[in-house]
Amino acid sequence: EVQLVQSGPDVKKPGESLRISCKASTYSFTLYWINWVRQMPGKGLEWMGRIDPSDDSYTNYSPSFQGHVTISADKSISTAYLQWSSLKASDNAIYYCVRQSPLYGFDIWGQGTKVTVSS
Amino acid sequence: QSVLAQPPSTSGTPGQRVTISCSGTNSNIGSNHVFWYQQLPGTAPKLLIYKNNQRPSGVPDRFSGSKSGTSASLAINGLRSDDEADYYCAAWDDSLHWMFGGGTKLTVL
Repeated sequence: EVQLVQSGPDVKKPGESLRISCKASTYSFTLYWINWVRQMPGKGLEWMGRIDPSDDSYTNYSPSFQGHVTISADKSISTAYLQWSSLKASDNAIYYCVRQSPLYGFDIWGQGTKVTVSS
Repeated sequence: QSVLAQPPSTSGTPGQRVTISCSGTNSNIGSNHVFWYQQLPGTAPKLLIYKNNQRPSGVPDRFSGSKSGTSASLAINGLRSDDEADYYCAAWDDSLHWMFGGGTKLTVL
C-alpha cells in the first residue's frame, strides 16, 4: 500500500528547535513532490511549501511560512522533513505531509503530526 | 492571503442535494485545475475530486465537481449521515503556491 508515515506527536517549549519526518513507502520517492500542510486547532488547511525529492535543493514556500520553516528530504531513506529552528506558541498545530501527483493533486496524505508548543 | 472563498458551513437532510462553492481569481481557479478534499472528524483529509470534475476510484458518484471561470463547486447528491465532514477546495496559483479554501463544514440534520 502506498503510504506516508509521519513521526509521532511532539511537545516543545518556545524557542526550541524541532524536526518532524515523513517516510514514504511502496512508491518511488523521487517521482513525486512532497508538500507540507498546517492545520491549526479548529481551523482550515494551509499550504506551507513543497520539495522535489529528485533534487532536494529545489523547494518553494508559501510567503506566510518562508523563513520560519525549512523543508528538506533524504532520498536515500525516502523521507521528507519539516523543521523549525525556534518554535513559537503559534506553531501549535497538526502538520500533514502530502504527496503531489501530476494527475491527482494531493493524493496521499500522512496521518499528521501534532506539535504542541508550550512553556 | 492564500485562501479561496468557501462558505463556512452548510447543511442538509438525508437524501438531499447540497452544493459547496469555491471562488478564486484568474491566477488560480481561472487558469488551473480545482481539487476537492473531504476531512472526516479527527482524520487526515482525503482526495474527493481531481482536475475539476474527476473522481478517484472508490469515491461514490454521488459526489461531483464542476468549474466555470474563477469559481468551482462540489455537489453531493443523496446526502448521507456519514458525509458529515469538512470539505476543502484547492488550486495551484500562478504565483507558485497552492491555495486552499477556508473549508466548509457540512452538517447532516
